[in-house]
Amino acid sequence: EPEVTQTPSHQVTQMGQEVILRCVPISNHLYFYWYRQILGQKVEFLVSFYNNEISEKSEIFDDQFSVERPDGSNFTLKIRSTKLEDSAMYFCASSEMTSGYNEQFFGPGTRLTVL
Amino acid sequence: RKEVEQDPGPFNVPEGATVAFNCTYSNSASQSFFWYRQDCRKEPKLLMSVYSSGNEDGRFTAQLNRASQYISLLIRDSKLSDSATYLCVVHRDDKIIFGKGTRLHILP
Repeated sequence: EPEVTQTPSHQVTQMGQEVILRCVPISNHLYFYWYRQILGQKVEFLVSFYNNEISEKSEIFDDQFSVERPDGSNFTLKIRSTKLEDSAMYFCASSEMTSGYNEQFFGPGTRLTVL
Repeated sequence: RKEVEQDPGPFNVPEGATVAFNCTYSNSASQSFFWYRQDCRKEPKLLMSVYSSGNEDGRFTAQLNRASQYISLLIRDSKLSDSATYLCVVHRDDKIIFGKGTRLHILP
């Protein structure tokens, strides 16, 4: 069964450093998403991406965040200058279509720890 | 008011019992609705979509009441493996809003 993969599973970084979180969505999917979940809190939408551009972003997705699809398979989330409060689980998801009744498939997540 | 609200629980329910969760949403422009489950430290997984007419999948029944802006999930004959956090998810345009989830513990 096709699945979304994410690397690394755990990333530890120093405050102020840049991190890139990587995702490989399911191959025939067209819509890609990033979410974060701070420990003990709800899953929060960050950004949706379609046709090589951002289609929607939340208030959390400020200038320190960026997304890219550098090639035909990877979808990345970059955090330019990490803060302590960026420590969270980051989930990538993909779907064939947006909204409607289309299922989003989530990757296993990358746990980001900022020291 | 939060856009999607759920009772956080936990619900501690004996195996075999029926349990029901509700979720309310505040934005009447919300377009589609889902229940996901999330196991501890794992990714969310779709349990079922929620249709206006209501829908059933085995032991699970979901209902949507647009007039009152709430969604429900009913689990019948609960199993130990149903223990998880159940997330109410609402789509509006290209934005996806998760509730904080309701924790369910099925007791043997």
